[in-house]
This record gives sequence, structure tokens and C-alpha cells, in this order.
Amino acid sequence: EADIYQTPRYLVIGTGKKITLECSQTMGHDKMYWYQQDPGMELHLIHYSYGVNSTEKGDLSSESTVSRIRTEHFPLTLESARPSHTSQYLCASSDGGAGDTQYFGPGTRLTVL
Amino acid sequence: GNSVTQMEGPVTLSEEAFLTINCTYTATGYPSLFWYVQYPGEGLQLLLKATKADDKGSNKGFEATYRKETTSFHLEKGSVQVSDSAVYFCALRGSARQLTFGSGTQLTVLP
Repeated sequence: EADIYQTPRYLVIGTGKKITLECSQTMGHDKMYWYQQDPGMELHLIHYSYGVNSTEKGDLSSESTVSRIRTEHFPLTLESARPSHTSQYLCASSDGGAGDTQYFGPGTRLTVL
Repeated sequence: GNSVTQMEGPVTLSEEAFLTINCTYTATGYPSLFWYVQYPGEGLQLLLKATKADDKGSNKGFEATYRKETTSFHLEKGSVQVSDSAVYFCALRGSARQLTFGSGTQLTVLP
């Protein structure tokens, strides 16, 4: 069983607010990822990190930013939330082993009014 | 680039029916292949994986075989249960080390 946590699970906020979605893992994985999942279920990689102080943008352009100051922590920040940011955000980490399997957190469902 | 094509849903079956969800891929080299499952309101859980050609991944009665000659990784289960109702994602990890997902298949199993 993977130990990866996301908070909050659900968030409803107004336009223009700054928010941070938390993601942490206790498995010591170097690699971490953020995905955005649209209502049609498709997942899009928006950020990833291969280690402390390393962050890269993913395939889908996003106005969010990430940081990786500690191995276990990979928060995602939106400086000014808009209704177009309404989505499910999934965090994952991977073990670098055979197949480099990714393990996912439970997700944060964000609604911006 | 890499791509995954998954059978479109939704799929509705009666309990104890046989399940097949088709998945084909395009990739260079020798990708690793995965099936993930997402239950309502939750994140993705790894269901099974295969890291080389002819490998068979299996878990909870589900199976999938890595077929390089047909570039496929079809998911099968002999007898589905109501509790198997979920969204199923096929994915591959290529040389870029990032996962490429299919579009997901919604499965509903009726009692």
C-alpha cells in the first residue's frame, strides 16, 4: 500500500484567491508528479520533479507553480484561482524500480466559483 | 511520441460476465505497461503491470499480457463483480520516464 497523502480532499474557493494543494509521501521516492484530471477523465501531467530543488513543467500548460524543498513534500500553488482551474488534481510519486511504478494520492477536487 | 489508445466506454456488464478492455500503444523502444483503476472519488490505484514482452500482469482476478507483436495490453477478467465498477486506465512508461495514459474506460457492473 502506497503512503502518499493529499490535502485538502475538497476545496471550494472564490476567484482571485491564492491556494496551495499539499502532497506528501513517506516512501522516500525521489520522483513526484502532479496531474490534472478533467471531467472527461483524461489525465494530463502538469508538473514533475526528479529530486529536491528540481521541478519541470509537464505536457499540459498550467498557471500553477510547484516547489520541492524536501524529498517528501511537493506542494502546488495557484496565485490567483479562476473558474477555469476547477478540476481534480492528483499527486503521484515513483520508486525508480522495475517499470518505475507511480503511486497516486487520493486527489484534491478544486472548485473555483 | 508515445500514445495509448483505449477502448471507449462506458461498458456495462452483468455480474459474473467476462470482461475485456482493449488497449493498444505506440512507443519507441521497450516501454513498461500498466493498468490503473480509479474508484469514485478516489485517486488511481495500480492494478497490474508488465515490464517486458510476453510478461503477464495479474491482480485481483484481472490479467493482461504484454504483446509486442500486436502492441497491445488488453485487460481481462473472467467473472466481474459489482465492486469492480470503476474507471480503468491503461498507461505506458517509455524512455522519457513519464507515464502516458489512455483516456479511461468507465465500467459499470450490474447485480
